[in-house]
Amino acid sequence: KAGVTQTPRYLIKTRGQQVTLSCSPISGHRSVSWYQQTPGQGLQFLFEYFSETQRNKGNFPGRFSGRQFSNSRSEMNVSTLELGDSALYLCASSPGNRVRSTEAFFGQGTRLTVV
Amino acid sequence: AQTVTQSQPEMSVQEAETVTLSCTYDTSESDYYLFWYKQPPSRQMILVIRQEAYKQQNATENRFSVNFQKAAKSFSLKISDSQLGDAAMYFCAYEWTSGSRLTFGEGTQLTVNP
Repeated sequence: KAGVTQTPRYLIKTRGQQVTLSCSPISGHRSVSWYQQTPGQGLQFLFEYFSETQRNKGNFPGRFSGRQFSNSRSEMNVSTLELGDSALYLCASSPGNRVRSTEAFFGQGTRLTVV
Repeated sequence: AQTVTQSQPEMSVQEAETVTLSCTYDTSESDYYLFWYKQPPSRQMILVIRQEAYKQQNATENRFSVNFQKAAKSFSLKISDSQLGDAAMYFCAYEWTSGSRLTFGEGTQLTVNP
């Protein structure tokens, strides 16, 4: 069974640009969550998508957005990049049925550097 | 809001010895899940062990076990017979039963000395 795939692995962007990150979940998983990891703020939840709908949202500005496609693949977009957006962005995949908690499987992340 | 606190930024242990990582959390919920994740230099988060709050029995996975004290809101991880491959950043995390977001602690960097 293939794991969670995040592309690209590394990205360098300039302030003011926008960026799109991609996450392909484990086959059969319908929930995709995104997390931002920085040395100063640690791991913070961005949002969760389930069946193409945003089901949960963290406390991030509107510059951070996402979407999910019918095949459960998810994209995250950050517009008007700021230096503080430099981070490791992690995607997590799970069945998402919420009947009981199940293990979230993480991808290897996308390292975004804003210069 | 739920919070998770790891008071040990760094820990070290000798190979084959035992080490305990601490975690406390705050929640008003009675039903929830707690996790320990490991993040090696590859940066991929790997689940080490999971505890369901309604279960009184402490979870165990091979050399990894937890001490779950619900009343004290404490969830420590014990690693027995430490191996060099255990060296990593360890994160304690909380999940509310019907939510799908993980709340992470600050992390504990574990070094294993040969």
